[in-house]
Amino acid sequence: DAGVTQSPTHLIKTRGQHVTLRCSPISGHKSVSWYQQVLGQGPQFIFQYYEKEERGRGNFPDRFSARQFPNYSSELNVNALLLGDSALYLCASSSGTGVSGELFFGEGSRLTVL
Amino acid sequence: AQRVTQPEKLLSVFKGAPVELKCNYSYSGSPELFWYVQYSRQRLQLLLRHISRESIKGFTADLNKGETSFHLKKPFAQEEDSAMYYCALSGRGVNAGKSTFGDGTTLTVKP
Repeated sequence: DAGVTQSPTHLIKTRGQHVTLRCSPISGHKSVSWYQQVLGQGPQFIFQYYEKEERGRGNFPDRFSARQFPNYSSELNVNALLLGDSALYLCASSSGTGVSGELFFGEGSRLTVL
Repeated sequence: AQRVTQPEKLLSVFKGAPVELKCNYSYSGSPELFWYVQYSRQRLQLLLRHISRESIKGFTADLNKGETSFHLKKPFAQEEDSAMYYCALSGRGVNAGKSTFGDGTTLTVKP
Protein backbone atom coordinates (compact mmCIF):
# COMPACT_ATOMS: atom_id res chain seq x y z
CA ASP A 1 0.00 0.00 0.00
CA ALA A 2 1.40 3.36 -1.03
CA GLY A 3 -0.27 5.11 1.85
CA VAL A 4 -2.08 8.40 1.41
CA THR A 5 -1.30 9.96 -1.96
CA GLN A 6 -1.78 13.59 -2.91
CA SER A 7 -1.54 15.47 -6.17
CA PRO A 8 -0.12 17.71 -7.35
CA THR A 9 2.94 17.92 -5.11
CA HIS A 10 3.73 21.51 -6.05
CA LEU A 11 1.80 24.20 -7.86
CA ILE A 12 1.96 27.91 -8.46
CA LYS A 13 -1.13 30.07 -8.95
CA THR A 14 -1.85 33.76 -9.15
CA ARG A 15 -4.26 35.74 -7.01
CA GLY A 16 -7.88 35.26 -7.97
CA GLN A 17 -7.41 31.85 -9.55
CA HIS A 18 -8.83 28.64 -8.17
CA VAL A 19 -7.12 25.39 -7.33
CA THR A 20 -8.14 21.77 -6.92
CA LEU A 21 -6.09 19.41 -4.78
CA ARG A 22 -6.62 15.66 -4.79
CA CYS A 23 -6.16 12.94 -2.22
CA SER A 24 -6.45 9.16 -2.19
CA PRO A 25 -6.72 7.59 1.26
CA ILE A 26 -5.26 4.36 2.50
CA SER A 27 -7.25 1.41 1.23
CA GLY A 28 -10.06 0.67 3.64
CA HIS A 29 -10.06 4.12 5.22
CA LYS A 30 -13.37 5.90 4.93
CA SER A 31 -12.46 9.24 6.48
CA VAL A 32 -10.42 11.98 4.86
CA SER A 33 -9.37 15.21 6.51
CA TRP A 34 -7.69 18.27 5.07
CA TYR A 35 -5.22 20.49 6.88
CA GLN A 36 -3.43 23.71 6.00
CA GLN A 37 0.10 24.17 7.27
CA VAL A 38 1.63 27.59 7.04
CA LEU A 39 5.38 27.87 7.51
CA GLY A 40 6.31 27.79 11.17
CA GLN A 41 2.91 26.59 12.37
CA GLY A 42 1.24 23.29 12.98
CA PRO A 43 -1.41 21.86 10.68
CA GLN A 44 -4.76 23.65 10.88
CA PHE A 45 -7.94 21.63 10.40
CA ILE A 46 -10.00 22.56 7.33
CA PHE A 47 -12.46 19.73 6.66
CA GLN A 48 -13.27 16.18 7.57
CA TYR A 49 -15.33 13.85 5.38
CA TYR A 50 -16.63 10.44 6.31
CA GLU A 51 -18.66 8.24 4.01
CA LYS A 52 -18.99 11.16 1.58
CA GLU A 53 -20.54 13.45 4.19
CA GLU A 54 -18.94 16.48 5.77
CA ARG A 55 -18.27 15.73 9.42
CA GLY A 56 -16.56 18.93 10.38
CA ARG A 57 -15.27 22.23 9.15
CA GLY A 58 -12.57 24.42 10.59
CA ASN A 59 -12.42 28.19 10.71
CA PHE A 60 -11.89 28.78 7.00
CA PRO A 61 -13.85 31.02 4.60
CA ASP A 62 -16.42 29.75 2.13
CA ARG A 63 -13.80 29.98 -0.61
CA PHE A 64 -12.67 26.61 0.69
CA SER A 65 -14.77 23.59 -0.22
CA ALA A 66 -14.27 19.88 -0.44
CA ARG A 67 -15.98 16.68 -1.36
CA GLN A 68 -15.49 12.96 -1.06
CA PHE A 69 -16.21 10.47 -3.80
CA PRO A 70 -17.69 6.95 -3.61
CA ASN A 71 -14.18 5.47 -3.70
CA TYR A 72 -13.36 7.66 -0.64
CA SER A 73 -10.91 9.86 -2.52
CA SER A 74 -11.32 13.55 -1.94
CA GLU A 75 -10.84 16.96 -3.51
CA LEU A 76 -10.13 20.28 -1.84
CA ASN A 77 -11.10 23.35 -3.83
CA VAL A 78 -10.04 26.89 -3.10
CA ASN A 79 -11.55 29.77 -5.07
CA ALA A 80 -10.41 33.37 -5.45
CA LEU A 81 -6.93 32.61 -4.20
CA LEU A 82 -5.22 35.08 -1.89
CA LEU A 83 -1.53 35.44 -1.15
CA GLY A 84 -2.26 34.13 2.33
CA ASP A 85 -3.46 30.83 0.93
CA SER A 86 0.14 29.92 0.17
CA ALA A 87 0.79 26.88 2.34
CA LEU A 88 1.30 23.15 2.45
CA TYR A 89 -2.04 21.37 2.21
CA LEU A 90 -2.07 18.03 3.93
CA CYS A 91 -4.54 15.25 3.45
CA ALA A 92 -4.96 12.64 6.17
CA SER A 93 -7.00 9.48 6.23
CA SER A 94 -8.30 7.48 9.12
CA SER A 95 -10.46 4.44 9.52
CA GLY A 96 -13.29 6.71 10.58
CA THR A 97 -14.83 4.15 12.85
CA GLY A 98 -14.72 6.65 15.64
CA VAL A 99 -12.52 4.46 17.78
CA SER A 100 -9.37 6.48 17.32
CA GLY A 101 -8.37 9.83 15.95
CA GLU A 102 -5.07 8.50 14.60
CA LEU A 103 -4.30 10.15 11.27
CA PHE A 104 -2.21 8.91 8.35
CA PHE A 105 -0.81 11.79 6.33
CA GLY A 106 0.11 12.30 2.73
CA GLU A 107 3.20 14.22 1.70
CA GLY A 108 1.17 17.30 0.96
CA SER A 109 0.56 19.71 -1.89
CA ARG A 110 2.61 22.89 -1.69
CA LEU A 111 0.65 25.82 -3.06
CA THR A 112 2.32 29.11 -3.88
CA VAL A 113 0.09 32.06 -4.72
CA LEU A 114 1.77 34.96 -6.50
CA ALA B 1 -12.35 25.89 22.25
CA GLN B 2 -9.69 23.25 22.01
CA ARG B 3 -6.07 24.31 21.99
CA VAL B 4 -2.64 22.72 22.05
CA THR B 5 0.41 24.64 23.21
CA GLN B 6 3.99 23.61 22.70
CA PRO B 7 6.00 26.28 24.50
CA GLU B 8 9.37 25.45 22.94
CA LYS B 9 9.93 26.11 19.25
CA LEU B 10 13.47 24.77 19.40
CA LEU B 11 15.10 22.27 21.72
CA SER B 12 18.70 21.17 21.53
CA VAL B 13 20.33 18.43 23.61
CA PHE B 14 23.45 16.31 23.44
CA LYS B 15 23.37 12.65 22.51
CA GLY B 16 22.69 10.53 25.58
CA ALA B 17 21.01 13.34 27.50
CA PRO B 18 17.39 13.15 28.62
CA VAL B 19 14.88 15.07 26.59
CA GLU B 20 11.40 16.35 27.38
CA LEU B 21 9.13 18.05 24.88
CA LYS B 22 6.31 19.90 26.55
CA CYS B 23 2.67 19.91 25.50
CA ASN B 24 -0.29 21.52 27.24
CA TYR B 25 -3.84 21.35 26.05
CA SER B 26 -7.32 22.68 26.70
CA TYR B 27 -10.40 20.71 25.79
CA SER B 28 -13.86 20.45 27.27
CA GLY B 29 -14.38 16.75 27.37
CA SER B 30 -12.27 13.64 27.15
CA PRO B 31 -9.68 14.10 24.41
CA GLU B 32 -7.38 11.69 22.74
CA LEU B 33 -3.77 12.90 22.74
CA PHE B 34 -1.09 12.14 20.19
CA TRP B 35 2.50 12.89 19.35
CA TYR B 36 3.35 13.07 15.67
CA VAL B 37 6.87 13.28 14.29
CA GLN B 38 8.27 14.52 11.01
CA TYR B 39 11.78 13.46 10.10
CA SER B 40 13.70 15.30 7.42
CA ARG B 41 12.14 14.77 3.98
CA GLN B 42 9.48 12.43 5.35
CA ARG B 43 5.78 12.79 5.89
CA LEU B 44 4.17 13.50 9.19
CA GLN B 45 3.62 10.24 11.06
CA LEU B 46 2.24 9.07 14.35
CA LEU B 47 4.78 8.49 17.11
CA LEU B 48 2.51 7.49 19.94
CA ARG B 49 -0.92 8.05 21.48
CA HIS B 50 -1.90 8.17 25.08
CA ILE B 51 -4.48 5.40 25.02
CA SER B 52 -1.94 2.79 23.98
CA ARG B 53 0.41 3.67 26.85
CA GLU B 54 3.35 2.17 24.99
CA SER B 55 6.93 3.23 24.42
CA ILE B 56 7.91 3.91 20.84
CA LYS B 57 11.59 4.37 19.92
CA GLY B 58 12.25 4.87 23.62
CA PHE B 59 9.75 7.73 23.90
CA THR B 60 6.93 7.79 26.43
CA ALA B 61 4.22 10.31 27.18
CA ASP B 62 1.90 10.42 30.15
CA LEU B 63 -1.41 12.20 30.12
CA ASN B 64 -1.78 14.39 33.20
CA LYS B 65 -5.41 15.47 33.28
CA GLY B 66 -4.90 17.64 36.36
CA GLU B 67 -2.22 19.72 34.67
CA THR B 68 -3.72 19.17 31.19
CA SER B 69 -0.31 18.14 29.91
CA PHE B 70 1.03 15.40 27.67
CA HIS B 71 4.80 15.80 27.74
CA LEU B 72 7.00 13.57 25.58
CA LYS B 73 10.07 12.11 27.25
CA LYS B 74 13.09 10.01 26.40
CA PRO B 75 15.81 9.18 28.91
CA PHE B 76 18.70 9.02 26.42
CA ALA B 77 18.39 11.02 23.21
CA GLN B 78 19.90 9.72 19.98
CA GLU B 79 21.00 11.69 16.91
CA GLU B 80 18.28 10.00 14.85
CA ASP B 81 15.68 11.57 17.14
CA SER B 82 16.37 14.93 15.52
CA ALA B 83 13.06 15.90 13.95
CA MET B 84 9.99 18.09 14.22
CA TYR B 85 7.53 16.96 16.88
CA TYR B 86 3.85 17.91 17.01
CA CYS B 87 1.45 17.35 19.86
CA ALA B 88 -2.17 16.92 18.81
CA LEU B 89 -5.56 16.19 20.29
CA SER B 90 -8.77 14.93 18.84
CA GLY B 91 -12.23 14.21 20.12
CA ARG B 92 -13.78 10.80 20.28
CA GLY B 93 -16.59 9.17 18.39
CA VAL B 94 -17.89 11.45 15.65
CA ASN B 95 -15.21 14.00 16.51
CA ALA B 96 -12.34 11.62 15.97
CA GLY B 97 -10.24 12.70 13.00
CA LYS B 98 -10.66 16.42 13.59
CA SER B 99 -7.38 17.10 15.26
CA THR B 100 -5.92 20.24 16.76
CA PHE B 101 -2.14 20.52 16.50
CA GLY B 102 0.42 22.54 18.36
CA ASP B 103 2.95 24.57 16.41
CA GLY B 104 5.64 21.98 16.91
CA THR B 105 9.06 21.68 18.53
CA THR B 106 12.20 21.16 16.50
CA LEU B 107 14.46 18.78 18.37
CA THR B 108 18.14 18.71 17.55
CA VAL B 109 20.33 16.06 19.12
CA LYS B 110 23.98 16.99 18.91
CA PRO B 111 26.76 14.38 18.80
